[in-house]
Amino acid sequence: DGGITQSPKYLFRKEGQNVTLSCEQNLNHDAMYWYRQDPGQGLRLIYYSQIVNDFQKGDIAEGYSVSREKKESFPLTVTSAQKNPTAFYLCASSPKTVRTSGTYRNEQFFGPGTRLTVL
Amino acid sequence: AQSVTQLDSQVPVFEEAPVELRCNYSSSVSVYLFWYVQYPNQGLQLLLKYLSGSTLVESINGFEAEFNKSQTSFHLRKPSVHISDTAEYFCAVSEGAAGNKLTFGGGTRVLVKP
Repeated sequence: DGGITQSPKYLFRKEGQNVTLSCEQNLNHDAMYWYRQDPGQGLRLIYYSQIVNDFQKGDIAEGYSVSREKKESFPLTVTSAQKNPTAFYLCASSPKTVRTSGTYRNEQFFGPGTRLTVL
Repeated sequence: AQSVTQLDSQVPVFEEAPVELRCNYSSSVSVYLFWYVQYPNQGLQLLLKYLSGSTLVESINGFEAEFNKSQTSFHLRKPSVHISDTAEYFCAVSEGAAGNKLTFGGGTRVLVKP
């Protein structure tokens, strides 16, 4: 049963602690993404990775770090430098951009999300 | 840089009434357009997408969206909503040359009332 898993679903941490959110996919997708969702602001891109051992900053990377040592896994660490870490975090993946009949497929598939609350 | 605007943050609607969610984007190149739906405390699910071809695209559960290049819009419509359509809807845009990166609108929360 293919899909994207994120764990845990709910996470509580004390202020000043680093915390790592897990994201695993078995869809054999090349690209993976991390988004942050806050009420009324839609989704904002934190980091993305198009290939193993490579990743790029998104729009709001400050205070976050990632790694991509395996194709299936893209963990996100929320560091103590992140000023307002309480949010809903979504991981996504997509297949490599391919050209099919003159179009590029850019669909992203999302995990169920992790709600992080910093106390 | 591309941007996406969803003009309505909340749309209350009665069951069996029609609904339209507006989405406008700005981009100087060819774009690919998506609508995602999010139920409470869940991830996003793809509702429909426009990549090329017919400008009117449909989903399996009665939603449709029309790509209008001149107005840079991709509004989502459903002629008759159900209680189960209560959710948040996100419009997203990807510029083809930029690979798979998506830019999302702020979302529209649809509340279907009996």
